[in-house]
Amino acid sequence: AQSVTQPDIHITVSEGASLELRCNYSYGATPYLFWYVQSPGQGLQLLLKYFSGDTLVQGIKGFEAEFKRSQSSFNLRKPSVHWSDAAEYFCAVGRGGADGLTFGKGTHLIIQP
Amino acid sequence: GAVVSQHPSRVICKSGTSVKIECRSLDFQATTMFWYRQFPKQSLMLMATSNEGSKATYEQGVEKDKFLINHASLTLSTLTVTSAHPEDSSFYICSATPPGQAEAFFGQGTRLTVV
Repeated sequence: AQSVTQPDIHITVSEGASLELRCNYSYGATPYLFWYVQSPGQGLQLLLKYFSGDTLVQGIKGFEAEFKRSQSSFNLRKPSVHWSDAAEYFCAVGRGGADGLTFGKGTHLIIQP
Repeated sequence: GAVVSQHPSRVICKSGTSVKIECRSLDFQATTMFWYRQFPKQSLMLMATSNEGSKATYEQGVEKDKFLINHASLTLSTLTVTSAHPEDSSFYICSATPPGQAEAFFGQGTRLTVV
């Protein structure tokens, strides 16, 4: 069965500092990997996705993520966070199409001034 | 990107009543849609897969008689929470994937409060 682990429930980062959110997955086949962001009471916004090819993917809002097959990881990074980045971040795995997604428990990002 | 619209965004209902939530794909046809549930400060859990023209597929532990799903057209799936109770209060989100794509697009979610 597939699973996604986000080991950090909360992360606090100073504005302007770099950020890395961790994600590890377990999946029986080559997965599609996603990072979503959710603001309070809102739906999900896709930050970036990995299907195949270059293992470093660029997303919106200055985010990037690196797929490491050997570590079953898909960590999200941003070189310099902004106060508006404070939100809940979810890593997800799936195959698209007729399959739903399996989500991690999320990481709550707090930005300190 | 594709657009998935969910309605209503918020609903309050009395215990024992039923509530219907709509999920529409606005600019593509979706033979499959997905319904998720999110408890406060928790992750999204897949509840069921809605299949156009056939029965929905429910995840283990989800009561299909309580959460009725109808996918009557290629652009509309509905989730009806029947005989709602306070423990059904949650955030419900739907998603759909355009044909030939792997990326899921999500509705804005529905906050259900049962009083």
